Amino acid sequence: DQQVKQNSPSLSVQEGRISILNCDYTNSMFDYFLWYKKYPAEGPTFLISISSIKDKNEDGRFTVFLNKSAKHLSLHIVPSQPGDSAVYFCAATTLWDYKLSFGAGTTVTVRA
Amino acid sequence: KAGVTQTPRYLIKTRGQQVTLSCSPISGHRSVSWYQQTPGQGLQFLFEYFSETQRNKGNFPGRFSGRQFSNSRSEMNVSTLELGDSALYLCASSLVGSANQPQHFGDGTRLSIL
Repeated sequence: DQQVKQNSPSLSVQEGRISILNCDYTNSMFDYFLWYKKYPAEGPTFLISISSIKDKNEDGRFTVFLNKSAKHLSLHIVPSQPGDSAVYFCAATTLWDYKLSFGAGTTVTVRA
Repeated sequence: KAGVTQTPRYLIKTRGQQVTLSCSPISGHRSVSWYQQTPGQGLQFLFEYFSETQRNKGNFPGRFSGRQFSNSRSEMNVSTLELGDSALYLCASSLVGSANQPQHFGDGTRLSIL
């Protein structure tokens, strides 16, 4: 049962433009959400997270938005750079759980 | 600061064999989690250990087991290997395993079953 869904398997964006990645979840018990980035032959790298008590969190070029009523979150990357080309995973957990539920990932390609 | 180290990086086994994978967490991290990544199922949680105790387990058969040592290093064992066990096995560590401490991943062990 996939509790975290990333419905767009891929995204292509021009360098300098905005990348918007979307994620939906079904488990209303989730209260902490994370985004990870993964290059080939490497493990996922933590990017940014957000608690359910917030609706926005920013870190440099990365901003995550959370809409709890819609059970939806998104990651905005502005401006997109060639080094951002990677697979991005959305993950969710409860605050005192010890496991992450991951989406299937979105492959981002930034075109020069 | 050294990251999460997983050994070996690549492994080839045949059906019916058993395998042990190793994970050394970031120094000071006491929580270690294991995940399986396959093209069809994505990243799926296997189990999590803290202070040598398994605190949570995913929906995998009993052939998948693990343990954690007093120095927080962890091993994962898969017995009676099946073709479907071919996957990238990822280990992640965090300080105590709570959600607001992001897990840091190793580069994984690629297991191929022939």
